[in-house]
Amino acid sequence: DGGITQSPKYLFRKEGQNVTLSCEQNLNHDAMYWYRQDPGQGLRLIYYSQIVNDFQKGDIAEGYSVSREKKESFPLTVTSAQKNPTAFYLCASSARDRDTGELFFGEGSRLTVL
Amino acid sequence: AQKITQTQPGMFVQEKEAVTLDCTYDTSDPSYGLFWYKQPSSGEMIFLIYQGSYDQQNATEGRYSLNFQKARKSANLVISASQLGDSAMYFCAMRGFRTNAGKSTFGDGTTLTVKP
Repeated sequence: DGGITQSPKYLFRKEGQNVTLSCEQNLNHDAMYWYRQDPGQGLRLIYYSQIVNDFQKGDIAEGYSVSREKKESFPLTVTSAQKNPTAFYLCASSARDRDTGELFFGEGSRLTVL
Repeated sequence: AQKITQTQPGMFVQEKEAVTLDCTYDTSDPSYGLFWYKQPSSGEMIFLIYQGSYDQQNATEGRYSLNFQKARKSANLVISASQLGDSAMYFCAMRGFRTNAGKSTFGDGTTLTVKP
């Protein structure tokens, strides 16, 4: 079935370590996104990419990095520069040629810094 | 810039009754789309309904309808005949089609609890 796969589902990190969250989609969507969600709050955009080899910063990009070398993949690296990385991370995709296209989400990755 | 405001942190509804979740928005884009998503306790986000800013009629999808009042910049979600499985967090979101193309902005959400 088509969809978005995020891994790992749960991740623990020591302070000072970089971690990479994986996001793969087989929906043939051009656009992909990373959101951060803190407890009881809404989603905040970290980075987004509308086409391969191109991406833009969202509202809270500091301390994060991404790459978009393949259409299917949009990994997110949480660097040691991110001061408060403990959160729930959601990857999403949408059809770029449809402005009205809704976001399709993965099941999320929960990162905890020890 | 675009902003979504959901003023109801939590709502309760009796099973089989209807409930309205409020959403107001602000944007500089002349055309935009409004979305509602559901997030159960498992964490996945599920798309429910879409309303375009130039759509003449309010959107409906099964038990979900969107009460769109453009002049008031509101896009309230109405759930009819509530079911226990409707208990979840609900998010209103918008995407501008010009200056904010590609970026969806979310509200802080409303937690809905359906009572048996």
